[in-house]
Amino acid sequence: GNSVTQMEGPVTLSEEAFLTINCTYTATGYPSLFWYVQYPGEGLQLLLKATKADDKGSNKGFEATYRKETTSFHLEKGSVQVSDSAVYFCALRGGSYIPTFGRGTSLIVHP
Amino acid sequence: DAGVIQSPRHEVTEMGQEVTLRCKPISGHDYLFWYRQTMMRGLELLIYFNNNVPIDDSGMPEDRFSAKMPNASFSTLKIQPSEPRDSAVYFCASSSTGGTQYFGPGTRLTVL
Repeated sequence: GNSVTQMEGPVTLSEEAFLTINCTYTATGYPSLFWYVQYPGEGLQLLLKATKADDKGSNKGFEATYRKETTSFHLEKGSVQVSDSAVYFCALRGGSYIPTFGRGTSLIVHP
Repeated sequence: DAGVIQSPRHEVTEMGQEVTLRCKPISGHDYLFWYRQTMMRGLELLIYFNNNVPIDDSGMPEDRFSAKMPNASFSTLKIQPSEPRDSAVYFCASSSTGGTQYFGPGTRLTVL
């Protein structure tokens, strides 16, 4: 079956530091890949997505590239802000249209 | 669009009581999902509907949990009787076929 593995958190960074959150997946076929973000007290919201190999999703300064050869979709941001503190979820969706989520990675950014 | 609407936002109840959580999906979406989120188990898919029909309820933890979708604009998740281990945040989400999944703000349930 499908599965998503994310790096354990929390990830703690200072403001303006570079962020990488690793995500690898197992799936049959060619799934779509997603990053969702959950701010405190809120539901998950889509941050970015990529639907085929080598696609790069980007939004709000975050980027992730669909790497089929390494089955990865790592999330990056060049300069994080305190307001980026949240939990980040990697997810995939195959032919069934039902997403599979990772466990989530908490990001804490200090001023 | 108002997005996915859930009520109540917070629920505190005593063990043994019945709890009903409500969800209004985004108009036009034909998929509806119920999730549970806890620190220990992360985000778990409980059940999902397609065109108001339950498709997969294998994530429902036990018979105390039930979900209904009587029409395209309303769904309920009921726990009867509730237990302290049911304490969690319950999310409803909706999507169109192949589309982005949109989450509601969640209901934080505390069972004493």
